[in-house]
Amino acid sequence: EVQLVESGGGLVQPGRSLRLSCAASGFNFDDYAMHWVRQVPGKGLEWVSGLSWKSDSVGYADSVKGRFTISRDNAKNSLYLQMNSLRAEDTALYYCARDIHHYVSDASDVWGQGTMVIVSS
Amino acid sequence: QSALTQPASVSGSPGQSITISCTETSSDLDIYKFVSWFQKHPGKAPRLLIYDVIHRPSGVSNRFSGSASGNTASLTISGLQAEDEADYYCSSYTARVTAVFGSGTKVTVL
Repeated sequence: EVQLVESGGGLVQPGRSLRLSCAASGFNFDDYAMHWVRQVPGKGLEWVSGLSWKSDSVGYADSVKGRFTISRDNAKNSLYLQMNSLRAEDTALYYCARDIHHYVSDASDVWGQGTMVIVSS
Repeated sequence: QSALTQPASVSGSPGQSITISCTETSSDLDIYKFVSWFQKHPGKAPRLLIYDVIHRPSGVSNRFSGSASGNTASLTISGLQAEDEADYYCSSYTARVTAVFGSGTKVTVL
């Protein structure tokens, strides 16, 4: 079964860091670009970051650029999101998603169930 | 404010067809070539309905169809069903390796 499982969310104070992980199974992880997408409860979807299959192409939303870093370990079938200098507005449900291409596009066909990040003092 | 604008809500009766528009307000996007559509039910992960304007992934009903003209893309849902009631998002991406979602449209089945 093709599956993505996120972990690492939780309650964190403003200014602190958190690292999200996404474990992939059921497909050749290193054939696909991967993404992080978030959704504030009651609000719309926001693309956060994307990374190509060989990690040679990466992109970030302006709202997280310079604070968040996406990475992957193809040997471990895992995607990561290092989140530094967290702000209250980063509070959201974070989804890991698989692109249908090996390059970063806007078409993700496999999604995890999300991990919740709450930034609050 | 998203670079892709969608109507906040669209409604229709069962069996009818509805169309959701997605208008790009950024010159960075090539919505006439690269646009995807997602369905999002509360508490569920997004589901890809359409990619590259017109293509349906395997398993997606042919009741969902996409098109684009100029700076506007559209998703049409034919034969509206109760389970189609959800939020719908368009998306596109740029050569600068960034993607963006539209503002989202709530579809109500009357």
